[in-house]
Amino acid sequence: EPEVTQTPSHQVTQMGQEVILRCVPISNHLYFYWYRQILGQKVEFLVSFYNNEISEKSEIFDDQFSVERPDGSNFTLKIRSTKLEDSAMYFCAAYVGERYEQYFGPGTRLTVT
Amino acid sequence: AQSVAQPEDQVNVAEGNPLTVKCTYSVSGNPYLFWYVQYPNRGLQFLLKYITGDNLVKGSYGFEAEFNKSQTSFHLKKPSALVSDSALYFCAVKGSQGNLIFGKGTKLSVKP
Repeated sequence: EPEVTQTPSHQVTQMGQEVILRCVPISNHLYFYWYRQILGQKVEFLVSFYNNEISEKSEIFDDQFSVERPDGSNFTLKIRSTKLEDSAMYFCAAYVGERYEQYFGPGTRLTVT
Repeated sequence: AQSVAQPEDQVNVAEGNPLTVKCTYSVSGNPYLFWYVQYPNRGLQFLLKYITGDNLVKGSYGFEAEFNKSQTSFHLKKPSALVSDSALYFCAVKGSQGNLIFGKGTKLSVKP
Protein backbone atom coordinates (compact mmCIF):
# COMPACT_ATOMS: atom_id res chain seq x y z
CA GLU A 1 0.00 0.00 0.00
CA PRO A 2 1.42 3.40 -0.96
CA GLU A 3 2.60 5.31 2.07
CA VAL A 4 1.47 8.76 3.09
CA THR A 5 3.34 10.35 5.96
CA GLN A 6 2.26 13.12 8.30
CA THR A 7 4.05 15.35 10.76
CA PRO A 8 3.91 15.96 13.61
CA SER A 9 2.28 12.92 15.13
CA HIS A 10 1.02 15.00 18.04
CA GLN A 11 0.66 18.76 18.35
CA VAL A 12 -0.36 20.58 21.49
CA THR A 13 -1.23 24.24 21.14
CA GLN A 14 -2.99 26.97 23.04
CA MET A 15 -6.31 28.35 21.95
CA GLY A 16 -5.88 31.16 19.44
CA GLN A 17 -2.54 29.94 18.14
CA GLU A 18 -1.85 28.99 14.55
CA VAL A 19 -0.92 25.42 13.68
CA ILE A 20 0.36 23.86 10.49
CA LEU A 21 -0.08 20.17 9.87
CA ARG A 22 2.03 18.55 7.19
CA CYS A 23 1.48 15.67 4.84
CA VAL A 24 3.86 14.07 2.36
CA PRO A 25 1.94 12.08 -0.22
CA ILE A 26 3.31 9.68 -2.79
CA SER A 27 4.60 11.53 -5.82
CA ASN A 28 2.16 10.09 -8.33
CA HIS A 29 -0.91 10.96 -6.33
CA LEU A 30 -3.10 13.56 -7.94
CA TYR A 31 -5.79 14.33 -5.41
CA PHE A 32 -5.26 15.11 -1.78
CA TYR A 33 -7.70 15.28 1.07
CA TRP A 34 -7.85 16.35 4.67
CA TYR A 35 -10.23 14.66 7.09
CA ARG A 36 -10.64 15.00 10.80
CA GLN A 37 -11.86 12.66 13.48
CA ILE A 38 -12.99 14.12 16.77
CA LEU A 39 -12.40 11.62 19.55
CA GLY A 40 -15.06 8.92 19.50
CA GLN A 41 -16.77 10.30 16.42
CA LYS A 42 -16.70 9.46 12.76
CA VAL A 43 -14.21 10.64 10.19
CA GLU A 44 -15.32 13.86 8.51
CA PHE A 45 -14.24 15.35 5.20
CA LEU A 46 -12.64 18.79 5.32
CA VAL A 47 -11.21 19.64 1.91
CA SER A 48 -9.89 18.19 -1.33
CA PHE A 49 -7.02 19.60 -3.33
CA TYR A 50 -6.20 19.04 -6.97
CA ASN A 51 -3.79 20.70 -9.33
CA ASN A 52 -2.59 23.06 -6.62
CA GLU A 53 -5.97 24.43 -5.72
CA ILE A 54 -8.94 23.55 -3.59
CA SER A 55 -11.32 21.26 -5.43
CA GLU A 56 -14.07 20.87 -2.84
CA LYS A 57 -14.58 21.77 0.78
CA SER A 58 -17.07 20.94 3.47
CA GLU A 59 -18.96 23.30 5.71
CA ILE A 60 -16.44 22.54 8.44
CA PHE A 61 -13.67 24.10 6.36
CA ASP A 62 -14.30 27.74 7.21
CA ASP A 63 -12.07 30.80 6.94
CA GLN A 64 -9.89 29.58 9.79
CA PHE A 65 -8.60 26.76 7.60
CA SER A 66 -6.35 26.88 4.58
CA VAL A 67 -4.42 24.36 2.53
CA GLU A 68 -1.50 24.65 0.20
CA ARG A 69 1.28 22.72 -1.42
CA PRO A 70 4.14 25.13 -0.94
CA ASP A 71 6.99 23.17 -2.46
CA GLY A 72 5.27 20.73 -4.78
CA SER A 73 5.59 17.83 -2.38
CA ASN A 74 4.42 18.70 1.14
CA PHE A 75 0.72 19.34 1.53
CA THR A 76 -0.22 21.49 4.51
CA LEU A 77 -3.33 22.27 6.50
CA LYS A 78 -3.22 25.50 8.46
CA ILE A 79 -5.58 26.51 11.22
CA ARG A 80 -5.15 30.21 11.82
CA SER A 81 -6.63 30.63 15.27
CA THR A 82 -7.30 27.34 16.96
CA LYS A 83 -10.37 26.70 19.08
CA LEU A 84 -10.92 24.04 21.70
CA GLU A 85 -13.27 22.23 19.34
CA ASP A 86 -10.49 21.86 16.78
CA SER A 87 -8.99 19.16 18.97
CA ALA A 88 -9.10 16.03 16.83
CA MET A 89 -7.10 13.61 14.73
CA TYR A 90 -6.36 15.09 11.35
CA PHE A 91 -5.77 12.70 8.49
CA CYS A 92 -4.27 13.42 5.14
CA ALA A 93 -5.27 11.13 2.28
CA ALA A 94 -4.08 10.76 -1.29
CA TYR A 95 -5.92 9.31 -4.20
CA VAL A 96 -4.49 7.45 -7.12
CA GLY A 97 -6.55 8.20 -10.19
CA GLU A 98 -9.08 5.68 -11.36
CA ARG A 99 -8.46 3.14 -8.64
CA TYR A 100 -10.64 5.29 -6.37
CA GLU A 101 -8.74 4.15 -3.33
CA GLN A 102 -7.65 6.80 -0.89
CA TYR A 103 -4.54 6.10 1.13
CA PHE A 104 -4.44 7.66 4.55
CA GLY A 105 -1.55 8.92 6.59
CA PRO A 106 -1.18 7.94 10.25
CA GLY A 107 -2.73 11.20 11.37
CA THR A 108 -1.79 14.15 13.56
CA ARG A 109 -3.40 14.37 16.94
CA LEU A 110 -4.11 18.05 17.63
CA THR A 111 -4.81 19.05 21.19
CA VAL A 112 -5.96 22.61 21.82
CA THR A 113 -5.77 23.75 25.43
CA ALA B 1 -28.05 13.32 0.76
CA GLN B 2 -25.45 10.59 0.67
CA SER B 3 -24.90 8.71 3.89
CA VAL B 4 -23.61 5.52 5.41
CA ALA B 5 -25.00 3.73 8.42
CA GLN B 6 -23.24 1.21 10.61
CA PRO B 7 -25.94 0.05 13.01
CA GLU B 8 -23.64 -1.70 15.46
CA ASP B 9 -21.29 0.18 17.74
CA GLN B 10 -19.54 -3.04 18.65
CA VAL B 11 -19.38 -6.61 17.39
CA ASN B 12 -18.03 -9.38 19.59
CA VAL B 13 -16.84 -12.63 18.04
CA ALA B 14 -14.94 -15.64 19.27
CA GLU B 15 -11.73 -16.47 17.46
CA GLY B 16 -12.34 -18.92 14.63
CA ASN B 17 -15.97 -17.95 14.20
CA PRO B 18 -17.28 -16.06 11.19
CA LEU B 19 -17.78 -12.35 11.55
CA THR B 20 -20.06 -9.82 9.91
CA VAL B 21 -19.89 -6.06 10.26
CA LYS B 22 -22.96 -4.39 8.84
CA CYS B 23 -23.18 -1.35 6.58
CA THR B 24 -26.03 0.23 4.68
CA TYR B 25 -25.79 3.21 2.40
CA SER B 26 -27.88 5.88 0.78
CA VAL B 27 -26.69 7.43 -2.48
CA SER B 28 -28.12 8.59 -5.73
CA GLY B 29 -26.81 6.63 -8.67
CA ASN B 30 -24.34 3.77 -8.53
CA PRO B 31 -22.41 3.62 -5.28
CA TYR B 32 -18.67 3.31 -4.88
CA LEU B 33 -18.26 1.55 -1.55
CA PHE B 34 -15.25 0.99 0.68
CA TRP B 35 -14.19 -0.60 3.92
CA TYR B 36 -11.34 0.73 5.99
CA VAL B 37 -9.82 -0.56 9.23
CA GLN B 38 -8.25 1.54 11.97
CA TYR B 39 -5.95 0.04 14.55
CA PRO B 40 -5.27 1.98 17.76
CA ASN B 41 -3.24 5.14 17.19
CA ARG B 42 -2.98 4.40 13.49
CA GLY B 43 -4.43 5.81 10.32
CA LEU B 44 -7.11 4.24 8.18
CA GLN B 45 -6.06 1.24 6.11
CA PHE B 46 -7.89 0.35 2.94
CA LEU B 47 -9.44 -3.13 3.01
CA LEU B 48 -11.57 -3.44 -0.08
CA LYS B 49 -13.87 -1.65 -2.48
CA TYR B 50 -16.85 -2.19 -4.70
CA ILE B 51 -17.00 -0.14 -7.88
CA THR B 52 -18.71 -2.45 -10.34
CA GLY B 53 -18.79 -6.11 -11.30
CA ASP B 54 -19.18 -9.07 -8.96
CA ASN B 55 -21.24 -8.39 -5.89
CA LEU B 56 -18.78 -10.29 -3.72
CA VAL B 57 -15.48 -8.48 -3.43
CA LYS B 58 -12.40 -9.83 -1.75
CA GLY B 59 -9.89 -7.69 0.06
CA SER B 60 -6.94 -7.70 2.39
CA TYR B 61 -6.41 -10.04 5.34
CA GLY B 62 -9.09 -12.51 4.21
CA PHE B 63 -11.94 -10.02 4.39
CA GLU B 64 -14.69 -9.86 1.85
CA ALA B 65 -17.84 -7.83 1.40
CA GLU B 66 -21.10 -8.41 -0.38
CA PHE B 67 -22.80 -5.65 -2.28
CA ASN B 68 -26.58 -5.97 -2.20
CA LYS B 69 -28.29 -3.35 -4.29
CA SER B 70 -31.85 -4.20 -3.29
CA GLN B 71 -31.01 -3.94 0.40
CA THR B 72 -28.53 -1.08 -0.12
CA SER B 73 -26.04 -2.96 2.00
CA PHE B 74 -22.34 -3.68 1.89
CA HIS B 75 -21.62 -5.95 4.85
CA LEU B 76 -18.06 -6.89 5.68
CA LYS B 77 -17.39 -10.57 6.35
CA LYS B 78 -14.66 -12.98 7.24
CA PRO B 79 -15.09 -16.76 7.51
CA SER B 80 -12.79 -17.20 10.51
CA ALA B 81 -11.95 -14.31 12.82
CA LEU B 82 -8.54 -13.75 14.36
CA VAL B 83 -7.74 -11.93 17.58
CA SER B 84 -5.58 -9.61 15.49
CA ASP B 85 -8.68 -8.52 13.55
CA SER B 86 -9.79 -6.57 16.60
CA ALA B 87 -9.98 -2.95 15.47
CA LEU B 88 -12.35 -0.19 14.39
CA TYR B 89 -13.97 -0.74 11.00
CA PHE B 90 -15.37 2.01 8.83
CA CYS B 91 -17.65 1.69 5.87
CA ALA B 92 -17.55 4.55 3.37
CA VAL B 93 -19.16 5.68 0.17
CA LYS B 94 -17.66 8.00 -2.41
CA GLY B 95 -19.40 11.33 -2.25
CA SER B 96 -20.35 13.57 -5.14
CA GLN B 97 -17.33 15.74 -4.36
CA GLY B 98 -14.94 12.79 -4.63
CA ASN B 99 -14.46 12.65 -0.90
CA LEU B 100 -15.29 9.65 1.25
CA ILE B 101 -18.37 9.73 3.46
CA PHE B 102 -17.82 7.48 6.45
CA GLY B 103 -20.07 5.63 8.79
CA LYS B 104 -19.52 6.10 12.51
CA GLY B 105 -17.46 2.95 12.76
CA THR B 106 -17.91 -0.43 14.37
CA LYS B 107 -15.54 -1.76 16.98
CA LEU B 108 -14.76 -5.41 16.36
CA SER B 109 -13.59 -7.41 19.35
CA VAL B 110 -12.34 -10.93 18.74
CA LYS B 111 -11.75 -12.97 21.89
CA PRO B 112 -9.54 -16.06 22.07
